[in-house]
Amino acid sequence: SAVISQKPSRDICQRGTSLTIQCQVDSQVTMMFWYRQQPGQSLTLIATANQGSEATYESGFVIDKFPISRPNLTFSTLTVSNMSPEDSSIYLCSVDTGTPIEAFFGQGTRLTVV
Amino acid sequence: AQRVTQPEKLLSVFKGAPVELKCNYSYSGSPELFWYVQYSRQRLQLLLRHISRESIKGFTADLNKGETSFHLKKPFAQEEDSAMYYCALSNDYKLSFGAGTTVTVRA
Repeated sequence: SAVISQKPSRDICQRGTSLTIQCQVDSQVTMMFWYRQQPGQSLTLIATANQGSEATYESGFVIDKFPISRPNLTFSTLTVSNMSPEDSSIYLCSVDTGTPIEAFFGQGTRLTVV
Repeated sequence: AQRVTQPEKLLSVFKGAPVELKCNYSYSGSPELFWYVQYSRQRLQLLLRHISRESIKGFTADLNKGETSFHLKKPFAQEEDSAMYYCALSNDYKLSFGAGTTVTVRA
């Protein structure tokens, strides 16, 4: 299993600014994922962050808007850049410990852009 | 492209009644399917995986490849089952989620 701490848990930000979300895991994991949950919507994968390589982004998400760092096997950050109200969502960090497949999630960061 | 469909956004049942949450998927390969649950004020967590063929908290789900379905069932709902349920499909450890079904179990 894995326990994930995400910070901040919520924030209200001005449009045009950036917010960096931190994700700390209590064990070393290879695969970390960042998801977005827009209001009333399901979870959508933003990117996969593996240590030692560039993050891999899903269709519709780009590095300039959502830069990701993965400096080691227990930590990752997601930055939401140049925010607009459309970025208001819950952002979730997730890890998968491998076999068997099971994703563990952080408690999420509720972002409101005004 | 893979896709997960949960047709019901809301499901309300009485305590002790059966509950079934529908999930259909489209995927070109051999699917790995899961049900995740989020209770009030808690984080999203795994409920069960199809490959284990297990019963968790009285819930079961059978993968039907012919109908491309993975419906979640429980014969007797309890109030503590009230939660948001997500069906998900894994492709190389990346999850595609359905829209989710909010279940309310009434006393």
